[in-house]
Amino acid sequence: ELQLVESGGGLVQPGGSLRLSCAAFGFTFDSYAMSWVRQAPGKGLEWVSSISGSGVTTYYADSVKGRFTISRDNSKNTLFLQMNSLRADDTALYYCARWGDYYDSYIEWGQGTLVTVSS
Amino acid sequence: DIQMTQSPSSVSASVGDRVTITCRASQGINTWLAWYQQKPGKAPKLLIYAASSLQSGVPSRFSGSGSGTDFTLSINSLQPEDFATYYCQQGDSFPRTFGQGTKVEIK
Repeated sequence: ELQLVESGGGLVQPGGSLRLSCAAFGFTFDSYAMSWVRQAPGKGLEWVSSISGSGVTTYYADSVKGRFTISRDNSKNTLFLQMNSLRADDTALYYCARWGDYYDSYIEWGQGTLVTVSS
Repeated sequence: DIQMTQSPSSVSASVGDRVTITCRASQGINTWLAWYQQKPGKAPKLLIYAASSLQSGVPSRFSGSGSGTDFTLSINSLQPEDFATYYCQQGDSFPRTFGQGTKVEIK
């Protein structure tokens, strides 16, 4: 069954770090680019970062550049987001999503993991 | 960066109505435009890709049109399960950008 399962969210103090994971099931993981998209409480969707299938190419939103690092382990079908120097405005539900090149869109989403940055 | 602007931000409609949502890109994106539906507490779901192609399993009452900078999502004969928030997203370039969302509410 096609599935993306995020984990690693939680409560962290400003300036702290957190590492999110996204386990992928049911498809050839290294054939697909993957992304993180976040949604602050009551707000819209915000793209955070993307990584190519090989892991060689990465992209970041300006709001997280220099603080977040996206990576993947294709041998374990897992996507990661290392988040450092966290701020209150990073508080959000973080989704991992699979990009479909043919569709030029996010064809599958996980259920999200909540990150709360607060003292 | 390409800015995506949706209108309206919310719309009240009744079951059976036709609803139209527009999305405007700040520069031309050909047909690299997708529409998503999000229900409360759920992840977004792809409805339309390449501006007008219906994703597998999505009811045919949903349709998309447009190219360049102006796009439309239409829902014919609104059903109770269609009350949700809808987002457009451009796939032309990075950073990927979404519209701010349109909430379809029950009148």
